[in-house]
This record gives sequence, C-alpha cells and structure tokens, in this order.
Amino acid sequence: EPEVTQTPSHQVTQMGQEVILRCVPISNHLYFYWYRQILGQKVEFLVSFYNNEISEKSEIFDDQFSVERPDGSNFTLKIRSTKLEDSAMYFCASNGGLHYGYTFGSGTRLTVV
Amino acid sequence: TQLLEQSPQFLSIQEGENLTVYCNSSSVFSSLQWYRQEPGEGPVLLVTVVTGGEVKKLKRLTFQFGDARKDSSLHITAAQPGDTGLYLCAGAPGIQGAQKLVFGQGTRLTINP
Repeated sequence: EPEVTQTPSHQVTQMGQEVILRCVPISNHLYFYWYRQILGQKVEFLVSFYNNEISEKSEIFDDQFSVERPDGSNFTLKIRSTKLEDSAMYFCASNGGLHYGYTFGSGTRLTVV
Repeated sequence: TQLLEQSPQFLSIQEGENLTVYCNSSSVFSSLQWYRQEPGEGPVLLVTVVTGGEVKKLKRLTFQFGDARKDSSLHITAAQPGDTGLYLCAGAPGIQGAQKLVFGQGTRLTINP
C-alpha cells in the first residue's frame, strides 16, 4: 500500500524560530495538502497545492507559512517565525483528483516553547 | 463557512450491539468521506460517497450519503472491540480537483467486550 511519509515525527522549536516540515506524497498523486490538528480539536485545512502552485489556502495560512515542492517528490511546509499557538499535529496528504479519498501521512507533532 | 456536526461525540456500547453515527450540515458537499484516526496517527480513509442517496458497505460498516448531499451516516452492525476508535467525517465543498476537506469533530467510539 503506497504511503505518505512525513519527517520529522516530532519537532520541538523555540518561539520565533523557523521550521520546515517535510513530506513525500504518493508518487502518482496530483494534489497535495497540509492540515493541522490542535490537540483535542478538529482537523483543519491549511493549504492545497497543484501543478506547482497553491490552489487554495485557509485564513490560518498567513504570511508566516509557505509551501514548496522543490524536487518533484518532496512537499514542504515552512513556518517562518513560530508562535506558541502553532503547536499542533501537522498532516500532509495527497490524492489523485476529484472525489478521490486522501492518503494522510502519520503527521509531525510540532511543539513551540 | 461550511460546518459538519457529528453526533454523538462519544459512544460506548457493548460488543455485538449496533450503532449509528451521524454527520450533518446545512451545506451541500460534492463528496463525503469517512476516516478512522488512531491516537498520534493520521486519518485513514474508510470510504468516499459521491452521489446523493449512495450506500456503500465495508464488511459490517454501512455508509450512506443523504439524498441532498448535506448529511451522511455510518452504521456498524454487531460492533466488535476492534471497532474502537475515532471516526471522522469530512466533506469536500467544491468541484475543483484540489479539494479541501471540512472535517467534523469526530465520534469517539468504545466497544466494550
């Protein structure tokens, strides 16, 4: 079964530092996403990415966030200057198109101290 | 803003009983997906329903999409302890290829032996 791979599984960072979360989506998928889940809360959409550009982003995805697909296999989420409230589980996902279910990665638990 | 409300949020029943989990919205979705999420892991897709009134079965699990595509249900027959977990419904509001998902808050199901 193809998997979405995320690294690292845990990241602890100091407030104000930059973090990069990495993902390898399923190779023949076309659409890539980042979601986050604050402990005990709903899974929330951050951004979708297709054809090397952002398709849609949520209000959460402000100027501190950016995404990149640098080499055709990796898909990264960068937070430039982390805040305490950025502490959450971040999930990468990919799918093959409209009405296709997503495959989610196992997530990166980000803790900002 | 589309919202999905799941009910109940918590359900604890005895092995062998039947149960139904509901996912409701006032908004129309182009598709509705059900996921199961284990602690510390990403959601795992169970099913996608696309057509109003569609019914899909996965062993003892039956999923239905409402006729108006605003609601969905998950019915489990003869629940087993292995069904214990967090069940999430997620709706895709639009029809573009890169589909953001709107998640419900989840139903935490416990099946007691």
